[in-house]
Amino acid sequence: DVKVTQSSRYLVKRTGEKVFLECVQDMDHENMFWYRQDPGLGLRLIYFSYDVKMKEKGDIPEGYSVSREKKERFSLILESASTNQTSMYLCASSFWDSTNEKLFFGSGTQLSVL
Amino acid sequence: GQSLEQPSEVTAVEGAIVQINCTYQTSGFYGLSWYQQHDGGAPTFLSYNALDGLEETGRFSSFHSRSDSYGYLLLQELQMKDSASYFCAVRTNAGKSTFGDGTTLTVKP
Repeated sequence: DVKVTQSSRYLVKRTGEKVFLECVQDMDHENMFWYRQDPGLGLRLIYFSYDVKMKEKGDIPEGYSVSREKKERFSLILESASTNQTSMYLCASSFWDSTNEKLFFGSGTQLSVL
Repeated sequence: GQSLEQPSEVTAVEGAIVQINCTYQTSGFYGLSWYQQHDGGAPTFLSYNALDGLEETGRFSSFHSRSDSYGYLLLQELQMKDSASYFCAVRTNAGKSTFGDGTTLTVKP
């Protein structure tokens, strides 16, 4: 069974802390994504990666960075957490070809920044 | 950039048919997807349309028209368990998958 695992379900951090959110997939997918989800705003793309050590900005990259040192792992980093980064963070990986793309999501990390 | 429009809420009764529309604006379009998300859960894949036309998977069907930048998700024989949020998403040639704000479907007995 395919699996995308996020390291924490709930996380509480203080303003100014450096925060690491980890995501691991076991499907050998090349594409991985980080989204945040806020009520009424759907899923907004922060960063994505289509290969090891490759990264591309999504729609809201400000305040975030990412790391992809191994194919199966994609990390989201909040350099200095702020209260407006309180949100549900969803990691996904995907298989894609010219006829199909299917994103597999992790269970999410609810981050609260106090 | 990309933008997607879908209704925020839809209500229907058990056994009925409901259609959730999605219009989009994007460059480098590759495909239109639909995802379902139950409260407290992760989004799960429903369908992907790379070409025009209708794709059917059981009670769910998805339609896409590239010339109209439009698609819809059709849910038939509605069941209570179909109450959830439904998201359309556009995949571009840059590798991005951008999601709409979601449609909350409430199925009533």
